[in-house]
Amino acid sequence: EAGVVQSPRYKIIEKKQPVAFWCNPISGHNTLYWYLQNLGQGPELLIRYENEEAVDDSQLPKDRFSAERLKGVDSTLKIQPAELGDSAVYLCASSGGASSQETQYFGPGTRLLVL
Amino acid sequence: RKEVEQDPGPFNVPEGATVAFNCTYSNSASQSFFWYRQDCRKEPKLLMSVYSSGNEDGRFTAQLNRASQYISLLIRDSKLSDSATYLCVIRSGNTPLVFGKGTRLSVIA
Repeated sequence: EAGVVQSPRYKIIEKKQPVAFWCNPISGHNTLYWYLQNLGQGPELLIRYENEEAVDDSQLPKDRFSAERLKGVDSTLKIQPAELGDSAVYLCASSGGASSQETQYFGPGTRLLVL
Repeated sequence: RKEVEQDPGPFNVPEGATVAFNCTYSNSASQSFFWYRQDCRKEPKLLMSVYSSGNEDGRFTAQLNRASQYISLLIRDSKLSDSATYLCVIRSGNTPLVFGKGTRLSVIA
């Protein structure tokens, strides 16, 4: 069974440029998460989707970050414009549901470097 | 006080050693507890859930102490392949998972 797929794996951009990350969750998983992980830190949730609905986006910096999951399957996370402090790993995860019993499976992440 | 606190390490131990990590949490309403493993430049992967009665999976034993609000992970007979960062993760109800910063383990030959 294919795991969570993310692309690109690496991205280098200059500050003030836009950037987008793509995630395809495990087939059949209704819940999709985007996390941010800085070096030496644990992942921090940016947004959680139940199907196509964003049910928790309280930690998403909405002035520059946006996300969508239009058909309830794959998802895109965008940053516009990027800042130096956005350099981090952006992880996507999915689970069969949102309950505490559901295991989250992570993708390999997109490593972003903003110059 | 941070919601989940871990000793960042690194813990450098020889092969065959026993090593233990602790993690404290501040939210007494936390209901679910996990240990995730993250290899260098890889994604986190679930190592094991932590149950109230404690649970064991091979060389790994997880314990929960609700009264003192901490969980622990014990690794016996450490292998080189155990070298990784171990993330303590908690959840309260249907809220998102909260990750600790992780504890780095290096097992040395």
